[in-house]
Amino acid sequence: DTGVSQDPRHKITKRGQNVTFRCDPISEHNRLYWYRQTLGQGPEFLTYFQNEAQLEKSRLLSDRFSAERPKGSFSTLEIQRTEQGDSAMYLCASSLWLDDGYTFGSGTRLTVV
Amino acid sequence: QQQVKQSPQSLIVQKGGISIINCAYENTAFDYFPWYQQFPGKGPALLIAIRPDVSEKKEGRFTISFNKSAKQFSLHIMDSQPGDSATYFCAASPLTSGSRLTFGEGTQLTVNP
Repeated sequence: DTGVSQDPRHKITKRGQNVTFRCDPISEHNRLYWYRQTLGQGPEFLTYFQNEAQLEKSRLLSDRFSAERPKGSFSTLEIQRTEQGDSAMYLCASSLWLDDGYTFGSGTRLTVV
Repeated sequence: QQQVKQSPQSLIVQKGGISIINCAYENTAFDYFPWYQQFPGKGPALLIAIRPDVSEKKEGRFTISFNKSAKQFSLHIMDSQPGDSATYFCAASPLTSGSRLTFGEGTQLTVNP
């Protein structure tokens, strides 16, 4: 296990469809984060898990977004009824301690047409 | 609400020169300040980080300078190389929260050969 794995790398979907992304963190990392990054901007925090508990959610995470981390291992991020404004790179990161720094995955690029 | 302001937006440096990127923050609860490097199509990767109990930290060609009273910190890249061409993000977090990083908007660095 050499890093954070995200699947798929790219997703094109029609407006109104539901999409689900998966993140596999570094196995010994108990913290898992989802961020969203639009072109030319820094990543924006969406949500954070410690083990299986979702401890914090951003206001950006509307009721169309849901994230899970069953058994404290992999995580999924689902977007329901996608909108064009959801088009972005969705980044997952994991860490053991915050000041060890996050390890980011390569992201899932979502395009809503 | 932008809590970490980063400048410049873009920077062009000649090979061998010094690249300097600046960030300013507002939240006095921030006590962890990392810098991330991002190449196209990849997630951000941790470069170097500093806590406010020191004013400078150096790792190889990368140095963070930190001014707590001014609430500013900067990244210096010495002997810049074409391979350093990437987007750089500063970030900040209160370590006690254990959760979100607030990122700056990024600086696109180009190092000309």
